[in-house]
Amino acid sequence: QVRLVESGGGVVKSGRSLRLSCAASGFNFDDYVIHWVRQAPGKGLEWVAVVSQDGSVYYYADAVKGRFTISRDNYKKTVYLQMSSLRIDDTAVYYCVRPISSSWNDVLDMWGQGTKVTVSS
Amino acid sequence: SYVLTQPPSVSVAPGQTARITCGGKNLGSKSVHWFQQKPGQAPVVVVYDDDARPSGIPERFSGSDSENTATLTISGVEAGDEADYYCQVWHSTSDHQTWVFGGGTKLTVL
Repeated sequence: QVRLVESGGGVVKSGRSLRLSCAASGFNFDDYVIHWVRQAPGKGLEWVAVVSQDGSVYYYADAVKGRFTISRDNYKKTVYLQMSSLRIDDTAVYYCVRPISSSWNDVLDMWGQGTKVTVSS
Repeated sequence: SYVLTQPPSVSVAPGQTARITCGGKNLGSKSVHWFQQKPGQAPVVVVYDDDARPSGIPERFSGSDSENTATLTISGVEAGDEADYYCQVWHSTSDHQTWVFGGGTKLTVL
């Protein structure tokens, strides 16, 4: 079955870096863009970034632009989120998400279980 | 930046109808998706493309939209429907794309 499994979360000090991974299985990974969406404790959902099927196109939310980098390795069926210059307000559960189809703008249908990132002072 | 506005909370008695709104500029020209999220769980799509329902989602869940407002309607509300609900759209400009979520609405079943 379709699975997205995030890893790499943990506790990190403000200003440091962390890399999240999202391992995919059960579908043709190369056909889909992949997103990262986060949710701060007790808060709503916030879209973070998206990467195209071949990794050449990406978009970021203003809150993370210049600090986060999304990438993918289609051989390993894995998407990465390199997070640098982390701030306290980056504390959140980070979800890896796949749309229902290969279209950029289709509904975000498949969600991983999330990985928790805590940024401390 | 594009903004979606939802009421923070909606309360309804079991068996009644809950309506959760989502406001945004020219929202009627966009495809609106609705997610249900229960505590400790990942979000689940309950309505997509304004008014389509994924397989496995009860017919009690329906969506509609007008020029600037989309509405998620839950008929015959059950205790198990208590959750946070989020609307979401894809917003594209000439040089950027973003995926925007509303702030979320907590549905309380009285």
